Amino acid sequence: DAGVIQSPRHEVTEMGQEVTLRCKPISGHDYLFWYRQTMMRGLELLIYFNNNVPIDDSGMPEDRFSAKMPNASFSTLKIQPSEPRDSAVYFCASSFGDVGYNSPLHFGNGTRLTVT
Amino acid sequence: KQEVTQIPAALSVPEGENLVLNCSFTDSAIYNLQWFRQDPGKGLTSLLLIQSSQREQTSGRLNASLDKSSGRSTLYIAASQPGDSATYLCAVSFRSGGGADGLTFGKGTHLIIQP
Repeated sequence: DAGVIQSPRHEVTEMGQEVTLRCKPISGHDYLFWYRQTMMRGLELLIYFNNNVPIDDSGMPEDRFSAKMPNASFSTLKIQPSEPRDSAVYFCASSFGDVGYNSPLHFGNGTRLTVT
Repeated sequence: KQEVTQIPAALSVPEGENLVLNCSFTDSAIYNLQWFRQDPGKGLTSLLLIQSSQREQTSGRLNASLDKSSGRSTLYIAASQPGDSATYLCAVSFRSGGGADGLTFGKGTHLIIQP
């Protein structure tokens, strides 16, 4: 089991550029979550999918953020255009079954995004 | 808005001591509570999951308790070791409508075990 795989590990970009973060969940997991972590706000849920369908995107900060899950083994989080306040660590996580129903959540190692 | 609070934000203790980390949450209607560990530059690792019908869970030197009525959970670490140094996060799955809305995380307690 390779765990949840995220790429890239680090991303440095200039304000206004498009940023795409990628995630491969654990095989067989049917839930996928995108979180953002900052010192000020801690971990915030951005969006989550069940069987590739977005269930709740109320945590997406604004229209500059979008997420897709074209198949069970791949998801992307896109920011366009990026702004310095988007600088954070972005985590992808997956679970087999709903975390609300006692399924442990498995995290990737995150993508550290810096927007200058 | 449902909130999860962890106090203290940071804790430093000598090796060998037993210690307790605290977590409080604003709504007693929960599905479960999970404790995670995060090492620098890494993702989170699930340590223990307590279902709403349970009072505690144990794994090795770790014991987590849950008191829904008071909105509190504790993580007890016995005989602490330098390798336990990490940030420990509490996360709660709140009931909302017909299902869960993912997990709401506290900001964590940064633990340092002094050799």
